[in-house]
Amino acid sequence: GAGVSQTPSNKVTEKGKYVELRCDPISGHTALYWYRQSLGQGPEFLIYFQGTGAADDSGLPNDRFFAVRPEGSVSTLKIQRTERGDSAVYLCASSLSMGNQPQHFGDGTRLSIL
Amino acid sequence: GENVEQHPSTLSVQEGDSAVIKCTYSDSASNYFPWYKQELGKGPQLIIDIRSNVGEKKDQRIAVTLNKTAKHFSLHITETQPEDSAVYFCAAATMDTGRRALTFGSGTRLQVQP
Repeated sequence: GAGVSQTPSNKVTEKGKYVELRCDPISGHTALYWYRQSLGQGPEFLIYFQGTGAADDSGLPNDRFFAVRPEGSVSTLKIQRTERGDSAVYLCASSLSMGNQPQHFGDGTRLSIL
Repeated sequence: GENVEQHPSTLSVQEGDSAVIKCTYSDSASNYFPWYKQELGKGPQLIIDIRSNVGEKKDQRIAVTLNKTAKHFSLHITETQPEDSAVYFCAAATMDTGRRALTFGSGTRLQVQP
């Protein structure tokens, strides 16, 4: 079946601009996660949704970062007033919600801030 | 919070040899330990996971062992093949609570020489 889909695959923008990154989870997965991966490092947790609500947003670095999941399926990660340090690969994962279910990742959006 | 350390950072083996990657974690509440394989330009792909109620799990050429007392877990790949070449990440999480964030190690670049 279809995996986690992320769009765009690449995004280049100028410092100070606003960006939106989209994630389509695996059908039927109610849990959705956002991670950020800098070059040469492991992914770092940003936010976790259970259905429409953010169950844990402790990984968001500051108030320029915001994510929504209004209908409990597609999620959008929004970054305001982008800075060069925001350049990274933004990964989305989804899982079933019951018990200890594995997280399945998309291929990410590579964000470059010039 | 949780801290995961991973060693070695790079590993080169001859085709057919075994490869071992080791991780330690700090939070005794962690109870779920997945391993991911990441190829260039792709998202992390789950290859095996283990929960804290078992000490070992095997899937064909891949096995994972867990020592809860020492707080370390290891990935073993036998009969390595060139297509095993990739970056491997270990991770840890406490899945029983509302917080399901994975904490990743820094990765091991495995190179299998034909």
